[in-house]
Amino acid sequence: GNSVTQMEGPVTLSEEAFLTINCTYTATGYPSLFWYVQYPGEGLQLLLKATKADDKGSNKGFEATYRKETTSFHLEKGSVQVSDSAVYFCALSLPDYGNNRLAFGKGNQVVVIP
Amino acid sequence: NAGVTQTPKFQVLKTGQSMTLQCAQDMNHNSMYWYRQDPGMGLRLIYYSASEGTTDKGEVPNGYNVSRLNKREFSLRLESAAPSQTSVYFCASSDPGASRTEAFFGQGTRLTVV
Repeated sequence: GNSVTQMEGPVTLSEEAFLTINCTYTATGYPSLFWYVQYPGEGLQLLLKATKADDKGSNKGFEATYRKETTSFHLEKGSVQVSDSAVYFCALSLPDYGNNRLAFGKGNQVVVIP
Repeated sequence: NAGVTQTPKFQVLKTGQSMTLQCAQDMNHNSMYWYRQDPGMGLRLIYYSASEGTTDKGEVPNGYNVSRLNKREFSLRLESAAPSQTSVYFCASSDPGASRTEAFFGQGTRLTVV
């Protein structure tokens, strides 16, 4: 089946530190890959996406590259801010039968300390 | 600029009570989804509707029913609430007709069953 695996546990780091959140996937076919962000008390917002191998999605200083050979889509940011504190979800979609259902990872809580 | 609107935002139910969560989108999307979010579990798909007039079960449909009232609206009903249904519920929509587009989420409904 289709699934997404994110690294276990929350991530706590200091302001201006480098952030990496690992994401790997299993999928039949060629999925689109997404990172969503959820700020406290809010719904999910799309952070970035990539629709084919070697594509790089980027937004707000975050980047992720679609690596088909390693089935990965790791999220990175070079210098985090306190405002980046949120939960980050990796997700994939496959357009089977004309429907783009999303499969989500379990999410990673990121806490940035001033 | 509403996007996906969910009501209510918060609800407390007693075990055995029923309620309907409402969702409406104004983006003319064909597909709509209901997810639940639980700590450490990520988002799990309850039901989805690929187009007006169709609904299908997701990963965790037991205890829920849905209605795709028209293209805009997709409701989720709990007929006899149980404490295990305490969760945050998210409605989402997408347009699979476009090229691999993402899903857009509502703000969520926080439901507590006591």
